[in-house]
Amino acid sequence: DVKVTQSSRYLVKRTGEKVFLECVQDMDHENMFWYRQDPGLGLRLIYFSYDVKMKEKGDIPEGYSVSREKKERFSLILESASTNQTSMYLCASRDRQQPQHFGDGTRLSIL
Amino acid sequence: ILNVEQSPQSLHVQEGDSTNFTCSFPSSNFYALHWYRWETAKSPEALFVMTLNGDEKKKGRISATLNTKEGYSYLYIKGSQPEDSATYLCASPMEYGNKLVFGAGTILRVKS
Repeated sequence: DVKVTQSSRYLVKRTGEKVFLECVQDMDHENMFWYRQDPGLGLRLIYFSYDVKMKEKGDIPEGYSVSREKKERFSLILESASTNQTSMYLCASRDRQQPQHFGDGTRLSIL
Repeated sequence: ILNVEQSPQSLHVQEGDSTNFTCSFPSSNFYALHWYRWETAKSPEALFVMTLNGDEKKKGRISATLNTKEGYSYLYIKGSQPEDSATYLCASPMEYGNKLVFGAGTILRVKS
């Protein structure tokens, strides 16, 4: 069974802090994704990566960056957290033509 | 830009009712259509990945059909149960890369 593990289920940070959200997958998937989910807006793609050290912007990359130094790990970075980044963050991975596997999500609150 | 739309936005049914909802997508350059179930406090779980026109897939009381020529897929739930309450998402890969474009989802609530 594919396992996508996000480092924290709940996180509270302060405005202006640099925040790291970590995601690890154990199935050697090439593609990894970061989404945020807000009420009424569905899943919105922030960034994705199709290989180590490769990244592409999704629909809402502003205020975020990512890092993929190893195939199994994809990190989302909030450079300077703001209150409008309070959200549920979901990591996912998959291989081409296969279904996507999601982590349990991190509920991030920025105070 | 690929647009994936789902209807209705939400649905309330009684236990035992059968129900269905729709996912619409552009019919040109079609690659695949995914369905996911997302229960509260859990992560989205894949139900089906469909690629062929006329495809029909089934998992217990849930089934899905695909029409790639007209750009829609239906998800059916037969004899809804309270545990079917969830948000149902459909998604389709972009023309390039492996990004999935998700619809906004259909929220299903089944009352006992």
